[in-house]
Amino acid sequence: DGGITQSPKYLFRKEGQNVTLSCEQNLNHDAMYWYRQDPGQGLRLIYYSQIVNDFQKGDIAEGYSVSREKKESFPLTVTSAQKNPTAFYLCASSFRDGLNTEAFFGQGTRLTVV
Amino acid sequence: KQEVTQIPAALSVPEGENLVLNCSFTDSAIYNLQWFRQDPGKGLTSLLLIQSSQREQTSGRLNASLDKSSGRSTLYIAASQPGDSATYLCAVNIGWSYQLTFGKGTKLSVIP
Repeated sequence: DGGITQSPKYLFRKEGQNVTLSCEQNLNHDAMYWYRQDPGQGLRLIYYSQIVNDFQKGDIAEGYSVSREKKESFPLTVTSAQKNPTAFYLCASSFRDGLNTEAFFGQGTRLTVV
Repeated sequence: KQEVTQIPAALSVPEGENLVLNCSFTDSAIYNLQWFRQDPGKGLTSLLLIQSSQREQTSGRLNASLDKSSGRSTLYIAASQPGDSATYLCAVNIGWSYQLTFGKGTKLSVIP
């Protein structure tokens, strides 16, 4: 089945720890994204990548890091510098058809600080 | 900066009713608009994509329209069912950027 796989589904982080969220896609999409979702805030863009070995900061990149070593993979690390990491994290990928970009999402990872 | 607004934030309707969800955006220079559905604790499921050159798209009981000049899109759901209960989000893509700008969504409850 083609799609986007995020793992784990639930993740718990202790204060001061770095944690990495996995995102893999087999849709052969060029672009991948990470969004954060908080109640009442909507989706906010953390990082996005249009091609391998290149990525750009989104609106709330502070305290996060990413890598894009393979087209299929775009892991997100939540560092200890992120002071309020408890949230629902969504990974997406998209392809461009002419002028149109259609995005598809994974099932999300819920991160909780304990 | 592009802003996307969805009103109302929540909507409750009896089963069988037809309903309309609204999405407005401030910059009309969009390339396309996408409607998504999100169930509690889940990711987003793509429902419909409308290209900037199109006026509407249909999929089953769903019909989405786009009026670029007024900065508005609507999602029409016919004969609503309890299984339609979810949060519906719209997102716009502008320019050559791959980025999408999202609204905060409308939470729909269909009462049996």
